[in-house]
Amino acid sequence: QVQLQESGPGLVKPSETLSLTCSVSGGSISSYYWNWIRQPAGKGLEWIGRTHTSGGTNNNPSLKSRVTMSVDTSKNQFSLRLSSVTAADTAVYYCAREEWLTYWYFDLWGRGTLVTVAS
Amino acid sequence: DIEMTQSPSSLSVSVGDRVTITCRASQTIARYLNWYQHKPGKAPKLLIYAASSLQSGVPSRFSGSGSGTDFTLTISSLQPEDFATYYCQQSSSTPPSFGQGTKLKIK
Repeated sequence: QVQLQESGPGLVKPSETLSLTCSVSGGSISSYYWNWIRQPAGKGLEWIGRTHTSGGTNNNPSLKSRVTMSVDTSKNQFSLRLSSVTAADTAVYYCAREEWLTYWYFDLWGRGTLVTVAS
Repeated sequence: DIEMTQSPSSLSVSVGDRVTITCRASQTIARYLNWYQHKPGKAPKLLIYAASSLQSGVPSRFSGSGSGTDFTLTISSLQPEDFATYYCQQSSSTPPSFGQGTKLKIK
């Protein structure tokens, strides 16, 4: 079955760029929207943004222009870059597949990866 | 942005109990409401989409109802594997947003 796996550095310094990759196995990355969602310790889930193999993206306005996402169909992966990080960006980061039919929902998630922002 | 409010934030329950969790949207979202189950260290799992549609493979003891601004998730008879945190999420508008979660604890 289709599985998602996040990967990337677990520690990022303040003001630097956080980079994560989500690998999709067991299925094609085409024809879905691919999302990043995060959860700071003790807090709720926050949607970061979505991307599609067509090149379309949407970001959460709360993160302003710090977010860049891309899809690599040759590797069946998609990625997140979050620039100018601060301690407030410390969180577990999840990748998720979004089904867009009559209704939209996140039908598949990765287990998440903890990213800590600290010097 | 649409704000989602869940209640209660935690609930002490026993196996076999009927459990109801509520979710309220700050504006009408029709039936664009999804429910997820999350256990520590695991991937969140979609339970219900479109307010009341059961995701494939999810046990029938889970059900959802509601439309507009008020929604409920019901577990008809709680099983040991159901102790987890449950989140609602609206997909009516971007950015999609989540409730703060309801944690089910063993009584």
